[in-house]
Amino acid sequence: NAGVTQTPKFQVLKTGQSMTLQCAQDMNHEYMSWYRQDPGMGLRLIHYSVGAGITDQGEVPNGYNVSRSTTEDFPLRLLSAAPSQTSVYFCASSYSREDGQFFGPGTRLTVL
Amino acid sequence: AQSVAQPEDQVNVAEGNPLTVKCTYSVSGNPYLFWYVQYPNRGLQFLLKYITGDNLVKGSYGFEAEFNKSQTSFHLKKPSALVSDSALYFCAVHKAGGFKTIFGAGTRLFVKA
Repeated sequence: NAGVTQTPKFQVLKTGQSMTLQCAQDMNHEYMSWYRQDPGMGLRLIHYSVGAGITDQGEVPNGYNVSRSTTEDFPLRLLSAAPSQTSVYFCASSYSREDGQFFGPGTRLTVL
Repeated sequence: AQSVAQPEDQVNVAEGNPLTVKCTYSVSGNPYLFWYVQYPNRGLQFLLKYITGDNLVKGSYGFEAEFNKSQTSFHLKKPSALVSDSALYFCAVHKAGGFKTIFGAGTRLFVKA
């Protein structure tokens, strides 16, 4: 099992550009989440999904879109990048609400 | 609204001594509580969880945590710290039946040889 994979590992964008961060898991997990990690602020939930076709907003959803067309994939779209979106982004998945989450290796995004 | 507080930015402990990393939470209804660890330049790993049942839960690498409902706390403990335990520790919560998980700001643990 590859677990949770994220691409790219690093990305630099200019203000206003759009891009998609990819996340995939091969554990047949229903639950998936996107977080951003900023110094001193822990992880903040951006969007989450409880199954294919079902997504919901987390704490900081503005500027981000998600979709979940398959169980395996949960891409995160930045619509128009802003410097405030400079962060490390983690995707995570779990089998159920009661299980700990498996995290991907992260994507370090810089917006200039 | 849900919230998690980790009151200490940093905890320093000598190798071989017991360690405690504190966490308090606020959630409507019954909480599902989790601890995660992040080693330098690595992703996060799940350590342990409390869902229901015994208030003392055991997890990976010799860690344990005690759920205290009256104090709304879920402190992480280890009887004897190792230098290799030095890392960033996160407490997380979501309400039973939900999945909107809130993380604390993290506590950096330094274990000195």
